[in-house]
Amino acid sequence: ETGVTQTPRHLVMGMTNKKSLKCEQHLGHNAMYWYKQSAKKPLELMFVYSLEERVENNSVPSRFSPECPNSSHLFLHLHTLQPEDSALYLCASSQGLAFLSSYNEQFFGPGTRLTVL
Amino acid sequence: KQEVTQIPAALSVPEGENLVLNCSFTDSAIYNLQWFRQDPGKGLTSLLLIQSSQREQTSGRLNASLDKSSGRSTLYIAASQPGDSATYLCAVKEETSGSRLTFGEGTQLTVNP
Repeated sequence: ETGVTQTPRHLVMGMTNKKSLKCEQHLGHNAMYWYKQSAKKPLELMFVYSLEERVENNSVPSRFSPECPNSSHLFLHLHTLQPEDSALYLCASSQGLAFLSSYNEQFFGPGTRLTVL
Repeated sequence: KQEVTQIPAALSVPEGENLVLNCSFTDSAIYNLQWFRQDPGKGLTSLLLIQSSQREQTSGRLNASLDKSSGRSTLYIAASQPGDSATYLCAVKEETSGSRLTFGEGTQLTVNP
C-alpha cells in the first residue's frame, strides 16, 4: 500500500458514456498527477496539480477533464472517449514539486484499467 | 527532448542469479533519477531515487548507480528471486521540467524457480 487509492480499478465504457476516475491520497501531499500507460509505450504525464491548482497540462485532449477539489482528491472526468484511450490510468502524489524540493518522490496508486468499446 | 531508453526490453534468468538492468537518457541535465517496479496490471512502486549529485543508492538486494555525465544508470539486483519478477521502469526528472518525469518503456524481468 502506497497511501494512494484509485477507484474504480476496472472500467468498461462506450464512446458516448460519461464516467469519472477518482484518486485519493492519505499522505498529506500537496501535489497530484494523472498518468496514462498504454501498451508498449512509456508512461505519459497528463496533468499536474499543486495546491489544488493545475500547473501542467501535457497537451491532453479536452475529452479528459481533471478536477482537484482539495489536496487529497483528484478526479479525471471522461467524456466521448475513443477506443485508443483504453489504457491504465495512474494517479500519483508528492510533497511539493520538483523546483521547490529536490526530494520530490512520487507515490503511485494501483491504477484504473479503462477499456473503451 | 529528453528520451529514456531501457535495455533489455525483457530478461529471463534462473533464480539466484545477479543481474543488471540498464537505463540511458539523452539530456544529462537531470534533477534526479528514479527506479520503479510495476507488477502486471498494477501501479508503480518506487524502489530507489538518486539525486543528481549522488552516484548510487542501495536498498537491500538492490543497488542503483548514476553516471550523469554519460547519461546512464544501472539497477543491480543481487541473488534474484521469483518474487522479483515484474517490469522495472526508469524515470528521470529534468532540471527544467517542473514535475514531469520522463519514463523509459521498462524491462520485463522473469526470475524462474
